[in-house]
Amino acid sequence: EAQVTQNPRYLITVTGKKLTVTCSQNMNHEYMSWYRQDPGLGLRQIYYSMNVEVTDKGDVPEGYKVSRKEKRNFPLILESPSPNQTSLYFCASSPPTGWSTDTQYFGPGTRLTVL
Amino acid sequence: AQSVTQLGSHVSVSEGALVLLRCNYSSSVPPYLFWYVQYPNQGLQLLLKYTSAATLVKGINGFEAEFKKSETSFHLTKPSAHMSDAAEYFCAVSGGWDGANSKLTFGKGITLSVRP
Repeated sequence: EAQVTQNPRYLITVTGKKLTVTCSQNMNHEYMSWYRQDPGLGLRQIYYSMNVEVTDKGDVPEGYKVSRKEKRNFPLILESPSPNQTSLYFCASSPPTGWSTDTQYFGPGTRLTVL
Repeated sequence: AQSVTQLGSHVSVSEGALVLLRCNYSSSVPPYLFWYVQYPNQGLQLLLKYTSAATLVKGINGFEAEFKKSETSFHLTKPSAHMSDAAEYFCAVSGGWDGANSKLTFGKGITLSVRP
């Protein structure tokens, strides 16, 4: 089954404790992206990646890191989480053409709470 | 730069009634427009998308949307609401290709409730 998976689905942590949210897709998509969803703000892009070893900032990158060592995986790293990073996080991927018309496929989301 | 406006945060309709969810966009280039649906505790699922082929776009689950350039709108409709339509709906725009990013700019979302 074609899908985007994220782990963990739920995470409660404390300020300053490094964490990684994994994202994996099995559709051979080159483009991958992370969004955060906050009430009343919709989804905002954090980082994106066009291909292996190619990543760039989205609209709200502060406090986050990403890596793309393999095509299928795109982990989101919070080196020192803070309470304002409490949010619902979505990973997405889209086909290799990379055009704006491509459908993005979303993972199930990771609900993160930083105390 | 692109932006999306979804007026209101909540719409409530009776089962069997017309569903109308409004979306207005702003884009400096010809836009590509999307509607996504998010069911409780799930990720986003594409309902439909406009990519300049036809102004009236039909999607899944009986939804459709019409692109109106003169009104910069892309409203989502469904003739008869079902209880299973209760969800959050997001309009999104992806305008132009900057060479690297297929970023979607989302509206704030609208929660649809369906009354029995």
